[in-house]
Amino acid sequence: GESVGLHLPTLSVQEGDNSIINCAYSNSASDYFIWYKQESGKGPQFIIDIRSNMDKRQGQRVTVLLNKTVKHLSLQIAATQPGDSAVYFCAETPDTPLVFGKGTRLSVIA
Amino acid sequence: DAGVTQSPTHLIKTRGQQVTLRCSPKSGHDTVSWYQQALGQGPQFIFQYYEEEERQRGNFPDRFSGHQFPNYSSELNVNALLLGDSALYLCASSSITSPDTQYFGPGTRLTVL
Repeated sequence: GESVGLHLPTLSVQEGDNSIINCAYSNSASDYFIWYKQESGKGPQFIIDIRSNMDKRQGQRVTVLLNKTVKHLSLQIAATQPGDSAVYFCAETPDTPLVFGKGTRLSVIA
Repeated sequence: DAGVTQSPTHLIKTRGQQVTLRCSPKSGHDTVSWYQQALGQGPQFIFQYYEEEERQRGNFPDRFSGHQFPNYSSELNVNALLLGDSALYLCASSSITSPDTQYFGPGTRLTVL
């Protein structure tokens, strides 16, 4: 049968809407978190990072929220564009190496 | 400013063969990490090199080995290839002053037949 890992969670949004991608991390000792975007056939691209002494960090069109109480991370993308279509991974680390989550596929509907 | 580069882009090998993958880090970076990404999965850490030595290693067998050169570039070697070694191999570079902030290359797609 197929690997469970092939069935990534998928988020479909209309172009122009805001997107929210969620991630539950596993290690309460993790103190640094990164969101990566991976387009088909390419390596992961750094989007934004946050350290555990912060709850929120904003970049260009993106915001990362960190809730350490429930070990939850989210990535918000404003005014989602077709070029945002990709798989998004969160990564955590208490120390190197990075530990990646399973990923979420974002599909933007034009 | 050149980013992380990897070669080759694609590679096809047969079971039992050996393979060498290459990586040049981003300008100004001195630390190289290697990851294996199976289809539909997140990257899995193999090992990290700094000052030409293996600094950390993930849960991969000894068939996976590496090297870092004085110019900070790196190689990943895999011996006695298995079908399950088919994956995208990613190199990430960083600075030892901020080793967790890693920038990835485009990867090498390895297919083992």
